[in-house]
Amino acid sequence: ETGVTQTPRHLVMGMTNKKSLKCEQHLGHNAMYWYKQSAKKPLELMFVYNFKEQTENNSVPSRFSPECPNSSHLFLHLHTLQPEDSALYLCASSQDWAAVVYTGNQPQHFGDGTRLSIL
Amino acid sequence: DQQVKQNSPSLSVQEGRISILNCDYTNSMFDYFLWYKKYPAEGPTFLISISSIKDKNEDGRFTVFLNKSAKHLSLHIVPSQPGDSAVYFCAAFHSGGYQKVTFGIGTKLQVIP
Repeated sequence: ETGVTQTPRHLVMGMTNKKSLKCEQHLGHNAMYWYKQSAKKPLELMFVYNFKEQTENNSVPSRFSPECPNSSHLFLHLHTLQPEDSALYLCASSQDWAAVVYTGNQPQHFGDGTRLSIL
Repeated sequence: DQQVKQNSPSLSVQEGRISILNCDYTNSMFDYFLWYKKYPAEGPTFLISISSIKDKNEDGRFTVFLNKSAKHLSLHIVPSQPGDSAVYFCAAFHSGGYQKVTFGIGTKLQVIP
């Protein structure tokens, strides 16, 4: 079983729909992240959860709502999205946020992403 | 304004030769640098890292060089293999605080058999 699993792999939704992206990690990590990758742009960090607490919200619009019920699961709830929100959404995990920041030897492990298309 | 820049969107190299992927950064506070590799339809996977106290880190066929004065790092792959064909992302962050990891836009490497 892969370390970080994201579902669904592909999602097409209208602007008025409500959907959720799911991420699950089986690595025993304590930090989880949502990234957005738009075409021809770098990966953009959206949210960071460390020990189930949100530690970073990188100025993300409120139509994206994260939820982290436990250290193994992370959700991204989507509501009233815009066409420019079409992108690849990647989930990642690491041992903990401090490990990423302080050691450099605890890289993030990524899921395969959800390709989101907004009609 | 991109703080981590990968100015070459793509690179083609013959199998067995050296691949050199370049990355420049503007934030002098960055002191850890990472390279990730991404195959189509898969998430990025960690490849190799280097801290600013070093100027070289080697792991098998992969070597990362860091030139702090030039704010430049490079990833060398030798010998290149067809399985190395992927998109390579450079990433950087500043340790010592809640600083996010900043990624470059990626360079697509094609190793020709």
